[in-house]
Amino acid sequence: AQTVTQSQPEMSVQEAETVTLSCTYDTSESNYYLFWYKQPPSRQMILVIRQEAYKQQNATENRFSVNFQKAAKSFSLKISDSQLGDTAMYFCAFYNNNDMRFGAGTRLTVKP
Amino acid sequence: EAQVTQNPRYLITVTGKKLTVTCSQNMNHEYMSWYRQDPGLGLRQIYYSMNVEVTDKGDVPEGYKVSRKEKRNFPLILESPSPNQTSLYFCASSRDSAWNTEAFFGQGTRLTVV
Repeated sequence: AQTVTQSQPEMSVQEAETVTLSCTYDTSESNYYLFWYKQPPSRQMILVIRQEAYKQQNATENRFSVNFQKAAKSFSLKISDSQLGDTAMYFCAFYNNNDMRFGAGTRLTVKP
Repeated sequence: EAQVTQNPRYLITVTGKKLTVTCSQNMNHEYMSWYRQDPGLGLRQIYYSMNVEVTDKGDVPEGYKVSRKEKRNFPLILESPSPNQTSLYFCASSRDSAWNTEAFFGQGTRLTVV
């Protein structure tokens, strides 16, 4: 079975700085999708970024980018120019063949 | 506005009293699913449905039931709730099961079973 591991339960960063959240996963599949979701205090789940495993180019969405290392089964999220509104729980997720797996989450606090 | 609507948002109930959490989407999505979120465990899939009358178990289906009689609705049923089902529940939908299109989540239901 696929597993997703987020080894950093909590992180903090100063406003305007850059922070990287780690995610590793375990799978024997070659084709799958990876996601980062943001959950602010409102509890809403918000898609931050998505990566398709067969695409070698790292996905980017404005201040958010990923470092996808398929051989290492690593999928880290980099947040540049951190803003107070980035304070949230961040979940890494893996999808393949109707199996959607989430990591335990990393609570990120952006400090003014 | 495209959305997934869950009700209620908060619920406190007693052990053994049957309850239903409703989920409705207005996007004509085929795929719907339920998750529970617990501290340190992230979100775990309870059940999913690929279309009307097609449902299947996820990782943690014990103690839950679902039905998909209409495309837009996917209720979660707890026939005899127990305290270990105290959790935050999310419903999600997407156009298809491959999640290569964006999945939409409901706002969550905080359930407490005493």
